[in-house]
Amino acid sequence: AQSVTQLDSHVSVSEGTPVLLRCNYSSSYSPSLFWYVQHPNKGLQLLLKYTSAATLVKGINGFEAEFKKSETSFHLTKPSAHMSDAAEYFCVVNSGGYQKVTFGTGTKLQVIP
Amino acid sequence: SQTIHQWPATLVQPVGSPLSLECTVEGTSNPNLYWYRQAAGRGLQLLFYSVGIGQISSEVPQNLSASRPQDRQFILSSKKLLLSDSGFYLCAWNAGLSSSYNEQFFGPGTRLTVL
Repeated sequence: AQSVTQLDSHVSVSEGTPVLLRCNYSSSYSPSLFWYVQHPNKGLQLLLKYTSAATLVKGINGFEAEFKKSETSFHLTKPSAHMSDAAEYFCVVNSGGYQKVTFGTGTKLQVIP
Repeated sequence: SQTIHQWPATLVQPVGSPLSLECTVEGTSNPNLYWYRQAAGRGLQLLFYSVGIGQISSEVPQNLSASRPQDRQFILSSKKLLLSDSGFYLCAWNAGLSSSYNEQFFGPGTRLTVL
């Protein structure tokens, strides 16, 4: 069994300040973990992924995430928010060889000018 | 490179009417294919997935069905739409390797409104 919890449904930051979107997971096996971004009425775009290589993963648009097994966390960060980062972000876990994944409920990021 | 298409982009249908949404993938062979629904204020719900032609697994009981008539074509259907079928429908694919943990790639989505 697997699950993923996104701890905040909404996060609001000022432009130029750091972003932290939190994600905790549970999995019976060594999981792969992903972060996706979705702008309004658009499909999901992959930001980054963890697949048991380096625990600090760098993605597109300046985002990073760190896999912490002891804390079962995979938080998404960015040093400085940009207005274009305003979107909804989904944390995803996959620990099944049958190719099914579990999505978190999403975090909406608001960036204030 | 691989691309995924969905159509139509938007659809407004009356209650009780039929539905057919299409998804096609280009640039890859034997992909796993998925249909998700995203209702307002809710996360993504997996509806169906397919690991090959004619092989469909359903995740939730509902009045929707899926078919995969060709390797890179995935169709979502309904005989009679309900109001609760309104939502944003997303098709996705990933590489068809059963022992891997590949990311999924999403189409642009179809916005369905049932009135």
